[in-house]
Amino acid sequence: AQSVTQLGSHVSVSEGALVLLRCNYSSSVPPYLFWYVQYPNQGLQLLLKYTSAATLVKGINGFEAEFKKSETSFHLTKPSAHMSDAAEYFCAVIRTDSWGKLQFGAGTQVVVTP
Amino acid sequence: EAGVAQSPRYKIIEKRQSVAFWCNPISGHATLYWYQQILGQGPKLLIQFQNNGVVDDSQLPKDRFSAERLKGVDSTLKIQPAKLEDSAVYLCASSLGGQGISEAFFGQGTRLTVV
Repeated sequence: AQSVTQLGSHVSVSEGALVLLRCNYSSSVPPYLFWYVQYPNQGLQLLLKYTSAATLVKGINGFEAEFKKSETSFHLTKPSAHMSDAAEYFCAVIRTDSWGKLQFGAGTQVVVTP
Repeated sequence: EAGVAQSPRYKIIEKRQSVAFWCNPISGHATLYWYQQILGQGPKLLIQFQNNGVVDDSQLPKDRFSAERLKGVDSTLKIQPAKLEDSAVYLCASSLGGQGISEAFFGQGTRLTVV
């Protein structure tokens, strides 16, 4: 069985401050891990993905995430928040023995304040 | 490259009515997914097609939901009859397919409101 847990359903950050979104997974086999962003009334857009290569993954819009097997975590960070980062963020996992089935966390809503 | 197309974008129906959603995946993508996203939750997979065959429909409420993917391209998702708890955004996604890693591209979704 596998699951994805995102800590914090809502996060408020000041413009220019660090963005940190937490994601922990449980999987009996090595997973592939993803972060997606969803803007209001839009579909999901891939931010970055971990596919068993480098453990520090860089994505679009200045985001990056680090895979830590010992902590079963894949936290998303951005050094300096921008107003345009306000959105909902989803962590997701694919088992390596699956057919690309994405399992999502519950999501974290990010609010950026001036 | 054209993205995943979905229609309609919004739909309001009364409970017990039927509704259908349409999805056109990215050309050449063998795998097609339908996800249900209830407000405040992450998307949940309803059904996954590989070409025109079903790979996973374990989370599809088969007493009221049905889906098909004719000729391995477009897909329709139907709800009959709808319940209040079916109010959600229905997302279609597609990927190149095959086992393991393959990035899924999402459409903008259809927001269904059942009143």
